[in-house]
Amino acid sequence: GAGVSQSPSNKVTEKGKDVELRCDPISGHTALYWYRQRLGQGLEFLIYFQGNSAPDKSGLPSDRFSAERTGESVSTLTIQRTQQEDSAVYLCASSSYRRLADTQYFGPGTRLTVL
Amino acid sequence: AQSVTQLDSHVSVSEGTPVLLRCNYSSSYSPSLFWYVQHPNKGLQLLLKYTSAATLVKGINGFEAEFKKSETSFHLTKPSAHMSDAAEYFCVVSGEDSNYQLIWGAGTKLIIKP
Repeated sequence: GAGVSQSPSNKVTEKGKDVELRCDPISGHTALYWYRQRLGQGLEFLIYFQGNSAPDKSGLPSDRFSAERTGESVSTLTIQRTQQEDSAVYLCASSSYRRLADTQYFGPGTRLTVL
Repeated sequence: AQSVTQLDSHVSVSEGTPVLLRCNYSSSYSPSLFWYVQHPNKGLQLLLKYTSAATLVKGINGFEAEFKKSETSFHLTKPSAHMSDAAEYFCVVSGEDSNYQLIWGAGTKLIIKP
């Protein structure tokens, strides 16, 4: 596609429910990243995929958070038993290569609100 | 560990006047540095990046930034602000422990007065 897309754009859920957030990266991009952005703050790294593998899951805040990627394309971030502190914008980015200087292209984000 | 400090949470300038957004970093090695912009209800966009080539980096929309190792700074400037520059700006440094992690500043909101 033309850019990174994410769905849904907004998600409101009740505390304790599970949610799934989807990211479609730019076609052919091997690297995919998930970030969390709390209100008024910078981005917080969650997880990185190279292909379908996640060599670095160190940013996931708890075992309620998991992510997978299939076909070196779509990725899903799942949050189980959501808590109010999970409320944030979740951003996905993709890049061509696994190098720090490569530009990351960001999606518009999913705004998650946990009531 | 490396870190990024954006010295101003908000900067307000009049249209047509210069813009200065300040960023200081800490790193034990020569990092790569980036500025990203986030317009309201739009995705993050790379403005410019420094990767140990020229210390003065030119980006899109007339922005530029200068890497000053002695001052550990990477301030973003533009000679003349435009209304369309109103957005949130993030200074980012590459991670030391991996070659893909990025450390993000808290952001500076740029306000343009007519």
